[in-house]
Amino acid sequence: DVVMTQTPPSLSVAIGQSVSISCKSSQSLVASDKNTYLNWLLQSPGRSPKRLIYQVSKLDSGVPDRFSGSGSEKDFTLKISRVEAEDLGVYYCLQGTHLPQTFGGGTKLELK
Amino acid sequence: QVQLKESGPGLVQPSQTLSLTCTVSGFSLTSYNVHWVRQPPGKGLEWMGRMRYNGDTSYNSALKSRLSISRDTSKNQVFLKMNSLQTDDTGTYYCTRNWDYWGQGVMVTVSS
Repeated sequence: DVVMTQTPPSLSVAIGQSVSISCKSSQSLVASDKNTYLNWLLQSPGRSPKRLIYQVSKLDSGVPDRFSGSGSEKDFTLKISRVEAEDLGVYYCLQGTHLPQTFGGGTKLELK
Repeated sequence: QVQLKESGPGLVQPSQTLSLTCTVSGFSLTSYNVHWVRQPPGKGLEWMGRMRYNGDTSYNSALKSRLSISRDTSKNQVFLKMNSLQTDDTGTYYCTRNWDYWGQGVMVTVSS
């Protein structure tokens, strides 16, 4: 199974600060169709997860452009510019290239 | 609009079988994949398996011997059945349409 390693496990931030979360996979996530199926999800407290980014850097509809994704092959980053209160929660990376699809362990974003 | 809703028993006895239903609306099961994901209390997300748009299924190898996913396209429902439940199967179970839309989740407690 592909192991997704997310760091850091937690982040304490002030509103307006920018943060980055890393996700590294144990195998390349480039699929046979040349796409890279790496997603970023946010689970706000008490809520279902919500996808923010798919295929490394494509923003889902309605997601603020303060969020951005980058990376390739095995190394990916989620950046949040100017954190707002609504951004707090647990972020997960998820690879959809290989079966079984696997999640990172999560990064908890908290207020400083 | 797209909606998914999980339903099933909140309490299951150890060694018994869990049966959950994901009822969808706003899209066709013959056009989108539906995944099942679970989350133990206070822990991360685990991919359980998926029903592809064409009726094929894939399972997490760790659960494969206990898990079955099926569907009834006429009723817009996807089913999950998992046998031999143990206490560590306690958690919230979600269905999701290819990660872009999620149900609210259903909490399942395995206890005598």
